[in-house]
Amino acid sequence: NAGVMQNPRHLVRRRGQEARLRCSPVKGHSHAYWYRQLPEEGLKFMVYLQKENIIDESGMPKERFSAEFPKEGPSILRIQQVVRGDSAAYFCASSPTGQGAQETQYFGPGTRLLVL
Amino acid sequence: QKEVEQDPGPLSVPEGAIVSLNCTYSNSAFQYFMWYRQYSRKGPELLMYTYSSGNKEDGRFTAQVDKSSKYISLFIRDSQPSDSATYLCAMSQAGTALIFGKGTTLSVSS
Repeated sequence: NAGVMQNPRHLVRRRGQEARLRCSPVKGHSHAYWYRQLPEEGLKFMVYLQKENIIDESGMPKERFSAEFPKEGPSILRIQQVVRGDSAAYFCASSPTGQGAQETQYFGPGTRLLVL
Repeated sequence: QKEVEQDPGPLSVPEGAIVSLNCTYSNSAFQYFMWYRQYSRKGPELLMYTYSSGNKEDGRFTAQVDKSSKYISLFIRDSQPSDSATYLCAMSQAGTALIFGKGTTLSVSS
């Protein structure tokens, strides 16, 4: 009964490098979401994807950040040219298909990104 | 005014106490209300999910939604040290992103 899997759990990057975060949803879930959690802040929505489609990216910074959820394989959150302000915990969530599916989200353990 | 307000605490109670956690919100269009529990350095875990107004009970946990007051609550009966965590409220309209509160840190002492 595997839940949402994320890897790596911890990622250290130097300023200017790329960070690539992976998320494998619960088996059978075709909706994926990415959130960012800064210290002393709540979870902030970034992007909502279905297989091969971006549904809502209203919370995604306009530059350097991108996300995908291919037909096969995990969802990827990519941060190019990282800066220290990108240091945070990044959580992926997934939900099943069906009415109200967007609201019943199950979260992974997160990837903690540290930018030096 | 923020969309979702939640007192960060910390809230400290003795084992066996009844705990009340609350959130207020400003967007009357919210229809879906959730409570998540997050242990330190872990991902949020869905505890309770409620659609529209009313009460929902699951074991020691009761969620209440009062849409007229834009106020939601989570009650924990017979609190245990294992309940020590951060509790996040979240809400959304149909088809839109979840909006989270900042979380309330709860500590239950034995």
